[in-house]
Amino acid sequence: ETGVTQSPTHLIKTRGQQVTLRCSSQSGHNTVSWYQQALGQGPQFIFQYYREEENGRGNFPPRFSGLQFPNYSSELNVNALELDDSALYLCASSLGLDEAFFGQGTRLTVV
Amino acid sequence: AQRVTQPEKLLSVFKGAPVELKCNYSYSGSPELFWYVQYSRQRLQLLLRHISRESIKGFTADLNKGETSFHLKKPFAQEEDSAMYYCALSMNSGYSTLTFGKGTMLLVSP
Repeated sequence: ETGVTQSPTHLIKTRGQQVTLRCSSQSGHNTVSWYQQALGQGPQFIFQYYREEENGRGNFPPRFSGLQFPNYSSELNVNALELDDSALYLCASSLGLDEAFFGQGTRLTVV
Repeated sequence: AQRVTQPEKLLSVFKGAPVELKCNYSYSGSPELFWYVQYSRQRLQLLLRHISRESIKGFTADLNKGETSFHLKKPFAQEEDSAMYYCALSMNSGYSTLTFGKGTMLLVSP
């Protein structure tokens, strides 16, 4: 059984650019949630996908968008990057509302 | 809106000393509360949840609805307990959407 994997592990982008982060969910899981963790803060919920549909969204602007694919892997897209978007982005997968398992995260730096 | 407060950024204790990591929450409904732990260079993982009433690695946490608290306790700290601890709240009946506190770093010295 493979765990949650995220790619890339690190990324540097310029303000105004767009970025796509990827997450492969754990085998058998159909739900993916994305979190943003700024330095010194706890993870903050961005949105969740269940069976390819958005199933809840936190307080993030529309330039944060996502997708879930038929194999339940997921992407997080951020448009018009701002300096404050610099953070660790965490993906967590679960089977419905069961325990969520986290990936190791993608560290995004916006310069 | 729901909120989780962990008042201590850092808690430093000696091995064998008791540990209490504080967590207070605000939520108008009936929440589920969790403790997550992140050891150095490892991913975030679930330590325990209030409804299971389990003791994991010697840690326990009791939900006090009157004080809206979910403090994490261990009677005798070990060096391997050194880690970042996050208290989290779920509004729906499950784990998936979580509101986290800012975390408390626990350092256990020999």
